Amino acid sequence: QAVVTQEPSLTVSPGGTVTLTCGSSTGAVTSGHSPYWFQQKPGQAPRTLIYDTTNRHSWTPARFSGSLLGGKAALTLSGAQPEDEADYFCLLSYSGDSYVFGPGTKVTVL
Amino acid sequence: EVQLVESGGGLVQPGRSLRLSCTASGFTFPDHAMSWVRQAPGKGLEWVGFISSNPFGGTTEYAASVKGRFTISRDDSRTIAYLRMNSLKTEDTAVYYCTAGELLPFDFWGQGTLVTVSS
Repeated sequence: QAVVTQEPSLTVSPGGTVTLTCGSSTGAVTSGHSPYWFQQKPGQAPRTLIYDTTNRHSWTPARFSGSLLGGKAALTLSGAQPEDEADYFCLLSYSGDSYVFGPGTKVTVL
Repeated sequence: EVQLVESGGGLVQPGRSLRLSCTASGFTFPDHAMSWVRQAPGKGLEWVGFISSNPFGGTTEYAASVKGRFTISRDDSRTIAYLRMNSLKTEDTAVYYCTAGELLPFDFWGQGTLVTVSS
């Protein structure tokens, strides 16, 4: 089974920009992996921020954007707010019938 | 408003079975794939399995860790998805989330139900 990698933790200043990445043990992440990004705050269920690499849901703040960067999927948070402090998980699709989550990145806004 | 409400969790002994339900509302259930994702206490997310929408054959796929023990099904007339869990192990202890989506089944999430496997 493929292993998905993420940074364990990142810190961003209020109003600053931070980029989280999502890599795959099988090689470069492409749009074919249909990367998803999820946000989870303590005691809450996850919610989906980005689907299919770059697409925001209606509830996703515009300060979150998804992309492919250097062979990985990336989630960029521009203009971080205190309420963005959370765990962020990515998900990759493998052959359309298997899905693997990354271990998550804890983002601190400080 | 989209709602996914999981039920059926609780304390169960190793080797026993349990069935979780996910009652959906606020979207066209037959057109959406459904999935189950679990999260062990203090750990990350683990995909458990999914069932496609009936236009796509209602096919199922499972993670290796549960294949042969867990079964996902759906009742489109009642807008409910099920997760049947057999031969439960202590390592199956987790919060189980129901998810749904039109393309991949990960757009909407329920609040989760806790399953504790312990003697």
